[in-house]
Amino acid sequence: GAVVSQHPSRVICKSGTSVKIECRSLDFQATTMFWYRQFPKQSLMLMATSNEGSKATYEQGVEKDKFLINHASLTLSTLTVTSAHPEDSSFYICSARRGGILANYGYTFGSGTRLTVV
Amino acid sequence: DAKTTQPNSMESNEEEPVHLPCNHSTISGTDYIHWYRQLPSQGPEYVIHGLTSNVNNRMASLAIAEDRKSSTLILHRATLRDAAVYYCILSPPGAAGNKLTFGGGTRVLVKP
Repeated sequence: GAVVSQHPSRVICKSGTSVKIECRSLDFQATTMFWYRQFPKQSLMLMATSNEGSKATYEQGVEKDKFLINHASLTLSTLTVTSAHPEDSSFYICSARRGGILANYGYTFGSGTRLTVV
Repeated sequence: DAKTTQPNSMESNEEEPVHLPCNHSTISGTDYIHWYRQLPSQGPEYVIHGLTSNVNNRMASLAIAEDRKSSTLILHRATLRDAAVYYCILSPPGAAGNKLTFGGGTRVLVKP
């Protein structure tokens, strides 16, 4: 159980266009999801916390107007990279945890989206 | 957030045990110790987590020091598929909204 599906796995877009990445919890409800970004040979960096039915919480230095997050249902969060530029090329990963006592569950991650902006 | 310290890399021979250390001297009394691993070009994968007692599952064992300032992830028999970056992360208990902050992790190389 606790499967998180992320789509697309790979996307190439032109500079200046927008790209939407979806993250779905398939067998559990997730009131909170997390979005990470990972550059080559670096660790995951948390971008924002996505909250169902309310605004996302962004980490310091992450532009909320550039990285739009929508968490409209308990099983779906989307990240839209607006007006993408080559420096936005990265590996984007979402994560969620089944609700309940932390002792029982770990966090589940999506398989990631490789974004290349040309 | 309490920080963790891990060696940058470790090498192991296939079918031998691997002991991955993690120091977390500033851990609070209620922080859980999580371990995740990330295979190349994939999202992280949950390995194990614990609070005070040692934990075992089908993937690994987690040995937690009595003072909780360090822990060791044990892969009992390394396979080539265990080659990955292993992350030791602390997380407070409570709601699913608590975020995980990743450090540098340990890159494990398994030699045939």
